[in-house]
Amino acid sequence: DADVTQTPRNRITKTGKRIMLECSQTKGHDRMYWYRQDPGLGLQLIYYSFDVKDINKGEISDGYSVSRQAQAKFSLSLESAIPNQTALYFCATSDRLGGEQFFGPGTRLTVL
Amino acid sequence: GQNIDQPTEMTATEGAIVQINCTYQTSGFNGLFWYQQHAGEAPTFLSYNVLDGLEEKGRFSSFLSRSKGYSYLLLKELQMKDSASYLCAVSPFVGYQLTFGKGTKLSVIP
Repeated sequence: DADVTQTPRNRITKTGKRIMLECSQTKGHDRMYWYRQDPGLGLQLIYYSFDVKDINKGEISDGYSVSRQAQAKFSLSLESAIPNQTALYFCATSDRLGGEQFFGPGTRLTVL
Repeated sequence: GQNIDQPTEMTATEGAIVQINCTYQTSGFNGLFWYQQHAGEAPTFLSYNVLDGLEEKGRFSSFLSRSKGYSYLLLKELQMKDSASYLCAVSPFVGYQLTFGKGTKLSVIP
């Protein structure tokens, strides 16, 4: 079984809809991250969480919110999706030292 | 702030050797990672350098010079499956999140 899982893997939605992307991990890591990836722009950090009670904004948090429901679960929400949020979204985890990150398989989101 | 530079694209021939460079300017330095990412897939860990010098792992090697803010990933005996993007990432401080470069897209041609 995969250590970091994301659901859904693909999603097509319309402008203005609320969308939630979910991430679960079995690695026992404290830290979890959400990234978006657009062609030519690399990985951009949206939000990160160092433990259940700690949530931090990344470089592109506008239009997004997150919830850390448990050590193993970290959800990303788009309150009102817009077309320029069309991207590939990755969840990642790392241990407390913040070193190597382990990535989920990604969610491809299309906003029409 | 953190700044990481890599070439956008590179092309190399099957069986050859290619070197992908990464330069960084960060407020601190605790280590440098290289990841491989095939199109549409998740990044996967390749190597980690914290001290100056060369780390070899099979066909892949990674070099670090902390004084120059410079690293490279060396891929030997290139195979078609090595066509992918290669991401350089820096950990500026212990316990801090990684900063990723934009990645280098490598195309291996016959």
